[in-house]
Amino acid sequence: DAGVIQSPRHEVTEMGQEVTLRCKPISGHNSLFWYRQTMMRGLELLIYFNNNVPIDDSGMPEDRFSAKMPNASFSTLKIQPSEPRDSAVYFCASSSRRGDYGYTFGSGTRLTVV
Amino acid sequence: ILNVEQSPQSLHVQEGDSTNFTCSFPSSNFYALHWYRWETAKSPEALFVMTLNGDEKKKGRISATLNTKEGYSYLYIKGSQPEDSATYLCAFNNQGGKLIFGQGTELSVKP
Repeated sequence: DAGVIQSPRHEVTEMGQEVTLRCKPISGHNSLFWYRQTMMRGLELLIYFNNNVPIDDSGMPEDRFSAKMPNASFSTLKIQPSEPRDSAVYFCASSSRRGDYGYTFGSGTRLTVV
Repeated sequence: ILNVEQSPQSLHVQEGDSTNFTCSFPSSNFYALHWYRWETAKSPEALFVMTLNGDEKKKGRISATLNTKEGYSYLYIKGSQPEDSATYLCAFNNQGGKLIFGQGTELSVKP
């Protein structure tokens, strides 16, 4: 398995533009998580899905952020419109069996909003 | 609010020193405690997942213990090597399924 695959690796965009981050979890994992890493807050959980259903989105900062998981092998995190304070590294992770074997993280997307 | 605290925030040791870090977490609604190793410019990698009070796990020179009643876990590294330099994260998994991370302990091992 190639692991959790995120794209793009780097994204630079102008304030106000729409940004879409993509994630392909490990095949067979039934949970998917979106985290944001910042210097101030460390790794923050934004939203997670079980069996493609959003379970907890209480970490999503505001209405500009949305996430979808249309099927078991694909998820997106969208920011519209983007703002400079959204600049961070966004990680996707997946797990099976409530994380009994740990979470597997993707390589992250480094987002810079100028 | 679920709070996971790690200490110290950073640690600088000499090669060969043994060291340990602390993770404290809520003692209610406990499901599991995870430890991850996070090297610069990479993504976090799972070291241990512990579920039972009194659990002890070991991987090479790294080991961890768990006390769910008082809400703490220790991570030990015996005979630190420069390649152990990384940020070590603990994360609390409550019965709701969320994994909440601490801020991490940044370890630097000097040759």
